[in-house]
Amino acid sequence: DTAVSQTPKYLVTQMGNDKSIKCEQNLGHDTMYWYKQDSKKFLKIMFSYNNKELIINETVPNRFSPKSPDKAHLNLHINSLELGDSAVYFCASSQRGSNEQYFGPGTRLTVT
Amino acid sequence: DAKTTQPNSMESNEEEPVHLPCNHSTISGTDYIHWYRQLPSQGPEYVIHGLTSNVNNRMASLAIAEDRKSSTLILHRATLRDAAVYYCILRYSNSGYALNFGKGTSLLVTP
Repeated sequence: DTAVSQTPKYLVTQMGNDKSIKCEQNLGHDTMYWYKQDSKKFLKIMFSYNNKELIINETVPNRFSPKSPDKAHLNLHINSLELGDSAVYFCASSQRGSNEQYFGPGTRLTVT
Repeated sequence: DAKTTQPNSMESNEEEPVHLPCNHSTISGTDYIHWYRQLPSQGPEYVIHGLTSNVNNRMASLAIAEDRKSSTLILHRATLRDAAVYYCILRYSNSGYALNFGKGTSLLVTP
């Protein structure tokens, strides 16, 4: 069983569209994250979230919003997509008290 | 956040040991040293972490300098599958915080 899964794996869309990326973890973790890896391969945190607290990287545009229907899911919604949003997005999870974060396989978003 | 400095790239022969260095001269007393790696076209994966003492696990060893201003990730016998970008990351305490990835070291393993 995949610990952290993301769908879709690839997403190609046009500028101005709204899209969502789904993330699910079956590890029973209480904290989930979204990271963005740009074309230069830099990995940057976008959000971290548990059932009590959302921490937002201040550099993330408000067109991006995480939504958590339950503890095992943290979806990423993106409004009014721009060319610069093209990147690979990784979901991750961890348990408070543990040092390990588990990452999903990534979603490659291409905005045309 | 305290920063880390790593070489951009390193090369190793298969089945030889690899020592990946990391400098973190501004580390604070509460910073844990974490290593992650990212294989091509995959998400990062946890390798090892430590605070003050050297650490060993099934994947690697972590040697931490006595003053904690540097550390070394040791792969005892590199395999082709170990070719990846290795990230040295400092993180406050040991839980609940996002990882601040730097540029990492791209390790090339040759047969």
